[in-house]
Amino acid sequence: DAGVTQSPTHLIKTRGQHVTLRCSPISGHKSVSWYQQVLGQGPQFIFQYYEKEERGRGNFPDRFSARQFPNYSSELNVNALLLGDSALYLCASSLQDRGYTFGSGTRLTVV
Amino acid sequence: AQSVTQLDSQVPVFEEAPVELRCNYSSSVSVYLFWYVQYPNQGLQLLLKYLSGSTLVESINGFEAEFNKSQTSFHLRKPSVHISDTAEYFCAVLERTSYGKLTFGQGTILTVHP
Repeated sequence: DAGVTQSPTHLIKTRGQHVTLRCSPISGHKSVSWYQQVLGQGPQFIFQYYEKEERGRGNFPDRFSARQFPNYSSELNVNALLLGDSALYLCASSLQDRGYTFGSGTRLTVV
Repeated sequence: AQSVTQLDSQVPVFEEAPVELRCNYSSSVSVYLFWYVQYPNQGLQLLLKYLSGSTLVESINGFEAEFNKSQTSFHLRKPSVHISDTAEYFCAVLERTSYGKLTFGQGTILTVHP
């Protein structure tokens, strides 16, 4: 069975640009969460979606948005990129909030 | 709001020695507890979790962690480490009343020397 897949694996963007990151959960998992991991720190919660509804949002500006599709895949969008948005973006899926399986992440570099 | 403190940012140890990575948490409600491991340039892998029942949980590769409710701790231990255990380890909590919001500690880098 495929795990959580994220694309792209690496991305370089310029300040002010927009970026879309994609995540496909494990088959059967209806919950998808997004985390930002800045170098040297633990992951920080951005969003959680369950059955296409936003169930939780972390302390991130409105430049960050996400959505979940009928097939439970998800996109994370970030507008007006800042240098400080450079990070590893992790997606996790779960079945019933009992354990979260993470993807390998998307490494975003803003220059 | 919950918080997680990993008491050591770096732990160097020699191969075959025992190791303990310390984790304390703060929460006003019941929690689930997790340990994740991250190898360089990779995502997070679940090592073990405490949901309920026995307070001692074990992983398939020899790690164990014990939930101590009175001390609000969830320390990770291994009696004999291998070079391949070199990685960064993250402790995380999930409040039972929250929706999927894992709160992570700052991480502990375990370096196993030959």
